[in-house]
Amino acid sequence: NAGVTQTPKFQVLKTGQSMTLQCAQDMNHEYMSWYRQDPGMGLRLIHYSVGAGITDQGEVPNGYNVSRSTTEDFPLRLLSAAPSQTSVYFCASSPRAGKENTEAFFGQGTRLTVV
Amino acid sequence: QKEVEQDPGPLSVPEGAIVSLNCTYSNSAFQYFMWYRQYSRKGPELLMYTYSSGNKEDGRFTAQVDKSSKYISLFIRDSQPSDSATYLCAFRNTGGFKTIFGAGTRLFVKA
Repeated sequence: NAGVTQTPKFQVLKTGQSMTLQCAQDMNHEYMSWYRQDPGMGLRLIHYSVGAGITDQGEVPNGYNVSRSTTEDFPLRLLSAAPSQTSVYFCASSPRAGKENTEAFFGQGTRLTVV
Repeated sequence: QKEVEQDPGPLSVPEGAIVSLNCTYSNSAFQYFMWYRQYSRKGPELLMYTYSSGNKEDGRFTAQVDKSSKYISLFIRDSQPSDSATYLCAFRNTGGFKTIFGAGTRLFVKA
């Protein structure tokens, strides 16, 4: 049982490049989400999913796309990287997608630098 | 006014001290109150989860919610150097699926 696995752990991109951050969980969790964490600003929700085939926007969705074709995987795509997207990205999951269910498990994070 | 306010610290205490960490919030619709612990360069871990007002205890940790004052606290008894981390408060309301996080308080427990 690996929990929530994020790859890669570190990435440097040039402005304008695109890439996909991978997130996988092996706990059959309904709910998955992506956050970015910036100094002094806490965690901010980018996108979330309440089940396979269902996604929705969070607080800061611009410049990012997601899809959820399987229960296990929830990739985050940066369409055209900008320096403002330099951040630490966390994927999280929760067993159920009810409104009362908070993020129970986080991945180890991906440190992204856009130059 | 920010939706959630949390003092960033750092807070430095000697081993064995009682630690008090706090957050204030402005959204009356928040019904679910959480505390996460985050070690350096790691993902957050869910520590405590409370619904509505009251206290909840788990080992050395006690979470307290005062909805009338819009104030939540996390107390750590007999603090240990291994408690040194950043502590994040978090909130959810009944209207959606979004968790709102505080910016975190850095805690150092000195041996």
